[in-house]
Amino acid sequence: DAKTTQPTSMDCAEGRAANLPCNHSTISGNEYVYWYRQIHSQGPQYIIHGLKNNETNEMASLIITEDRKSSTLILPHATLRDTAVYYCIVRVRSSSNTGKLIFGQGTTLQVKP
Amino acid sequence: DARVTQTPRDKVTEMGQEVTMRCQPILGHNTVFWYRQTMMQGLELLAYFRNRAPLDDSGMPKDRFSAEMPDATLATLKIQPSEPRDSAVYFCASGLVASGSPDTQYFGPGTRLTVL
Repeated sequence: DAKTTQPTSMDCAEGRAANLPCNHSTISGNEYVYWYRQIHSQGPQYIIHGLKNNETNEMASLIITEDRKSSTLILPHATLRDTAVYYCIVRVRSSSNTGKLIFGQGTTLQVKP
Repeated sequence: DARVTQTPRDKVTEMGQEVTMRCQPILGHNTVFWYRQTMMQGLELLAYFRNRAPLDDSGMPKDRFSAEMPDATLATLKIQPSEPRDSAVYFCASGLVASGSPDTQYFGPGTRLTVL
């Protein structure tokens, strides 16, 4: 699975959009981009995933560049409860895959009042 | 609201003692994962099962760790004997890995293990 690079930490003002970048320059054509987050003392939580097209759900939006070498997770109106470590993970999805996730160090997002 | 449950939530034990952690995956999920999280190493995958069969346990120290799924509603992770370096938070996750599924993993709340 492709390696990802994320900033170690970011700050965001409450109510503003939080834009979390992820570089995955060695991504291959059949690898998806997944985002999970981990709020302090809890288990990781799935946020969103995508292959090529931009995706949106009730939690966030995922913007993937045309060359797929990077992506951005957008929390449109960050709240204090969005303070967490955000993990960008790239992996293959197929009927024969293992489903396993390899977590990096992630980005610690601090939402400030 | 289906969720993964883990017991115990906290465990303090002495070095050399046996520790058993339990996980109840979400009903209908076919894959169960065990992760360990420490400040130094972050989240590490220890082992995982598909349809109760072990797929990969290469992340586990084989001499002291063992993972089993005696039935579809229970996964166990056992450490015998435990050592202080095993102190960590152990997470169980389950998911439905199949063609057409999103492969989303749902994590339990974790077991915080402290070995003195």
